[in-house]
Amino acid sequence: DAKTTQPPSMDCAEGRAANLPCNHSTISGNEYVYWYRQIHSQGPQYIIHGLKNNETNEMASLIITEDRKSSTLILPHATLRDTAVYYCIVRPVGTNAGKSTFGDGTTLTVKP
Amino acid sequence: DADVTQTPRNRITKTGKRIMLECSQTKGHDRMYWYRQDPGLGLRLIYYSFDVKDINKGEISDGYSVSRQAQAKFSLSLESAIPNQTALYFCATSDFLGTQYFGPGTRLLVL
Repeated sequence: DAKTTQPPSMDCAEGRAANLPCNHSTISGNEYVYWYRQIHSQGPQYIIHGLKNNETNEMASLIITEDRKSSTLILPHATLRDTAVYYCIVRPVGTNAGKSTFGDGTTLTVKP
Repeated sequence: DADVTQTPRNRITKTGKRIMLECSQTKGHDRMYWYRQDPGLGLRLIYYSFDVKDINKGEISDGYSVSRQAQAKFSLSLESAIPNQTALYFCATSDFLGTQYFGPGTRLLVL
């Protein structure tokens, strides 16, 4: 699986958009970008995933660059409850999904 | 009820003891995983299973073994626990598409 690079930490003001970047310059054509978050040592929670088109769900939006070498997770109106560690992972759908590893992620702190 | 459950949630044991961590899921997924997390770090894959007859080592399988008793159950064993196995352990499941769903974790302390 392609490796990812994320900043170790970011701050965001409550109510503002949180934009979390991820670099995955070695991503392969059949690999998806997944985002998870982990709130205070709880089990990681799935947020969103995408292949090459931008995606949006009730939690967040995912913007993937045209060359697919980087992506940005957007939390449109961050709340204090969004304070967590956010993990960006790339993996092929279906085969070999189990080989995915989680890097150290980005610790997002939402401040009042 | 939670889709992925882990027992026990907390465990203290002594060096050299054998312990088993259990995971059950009600999502009907074929794929199950065990991860370990050390303080301040990401999750590392210990073992994974794509169906009942399939077991695969992850990146840190030494000192661990697993058993897939049924589609819904996947247990992790430490044959002879050592202090550097003190960590937070997570079980996860996924369908063929790969989106993973995690349990609440087991906090293990080896003295």
